[in-house]
Amino acid sequence: KAGVTQTPRYLIKTRGQQVTLSCSPISGHRSVSWYQQTPGQGLQFLFEYFSETQRNKGNFPGRFSGRQFSNSRSEMNVSTLELGDSALYLCASSLPDMASSYNSPLHFGNGTRLTVT
Amino acid sequence: SQQGEEDPQALSIQEGENATMNCSYKTSINNLQWYRQNSGRGLVHLILIRSNEREKHSGRLRVTLDTSKKSSSLLITASRAADTASYFCATRGTGTASKLTFGTGTRLQVTL
Repeated sequence: KAGVTQTPRYLIKTRGQQVTLSCSPISGHRSVSWYQQTPGQGLQFLFEYFSETQRNKGNFPGRFSGRQFSNSRSEMNVSTLELGDSALYLCASSLPDMASSYNSPLHFGNGTRLTVT
Repeated sequence: SQQGEEDPQALSIQEGENATMNCSYKTSINNLQWYRQNSGRGLVHLILIRSNEREKHSGRLRVTLDTSKKSSSLLITASRAADTASYFCATRGTGTASKLTFGTGTRLQVTL
């Protein structure tokens, strides 16, 4: 079974631009979570989707948004980029059942390294 | 914000020694999970322990959970150079829509 795939692997953007990151979960997984990882703040939860519905959201400004498609693939978008948005963005998927996903591990992709200049 | 705080922040040991990492958290949990991350890569799940469990083993890994003290520990026995990585604890709260919140991590260096 293929793992979680994130594209692109690296991205360089300029302040003020917007960016879209993509995540393809493991086949059969319906839950997708996004995390931002920085040296200063560590791993911060962005949002979680299940069957195209946002199930949970972290404490990020409205510039950060996401969505999930019917095939469970997910995208996150960051508009009006700031220098502080430079980070490793990680996507993770988990089991398809909503109830059991709470007692299931997350399977992470290798992330998208975003650099904002 | 982090739910878990890990201790120590960094640990350096020699191959063959045991490594112990601790995690403390603040609120009631459904389960606690440990993950490993090699530099610049995604996280890999190691062990999940439910709130009603006290100890769990997986190969060279042993995890304990003390819900009364809101703490957990990860023991890696007979460490190898390949165990060099960052280790994170993560907690899932008890609410129906609770998120998985990660701790600050312990950086483990295993030298030959």
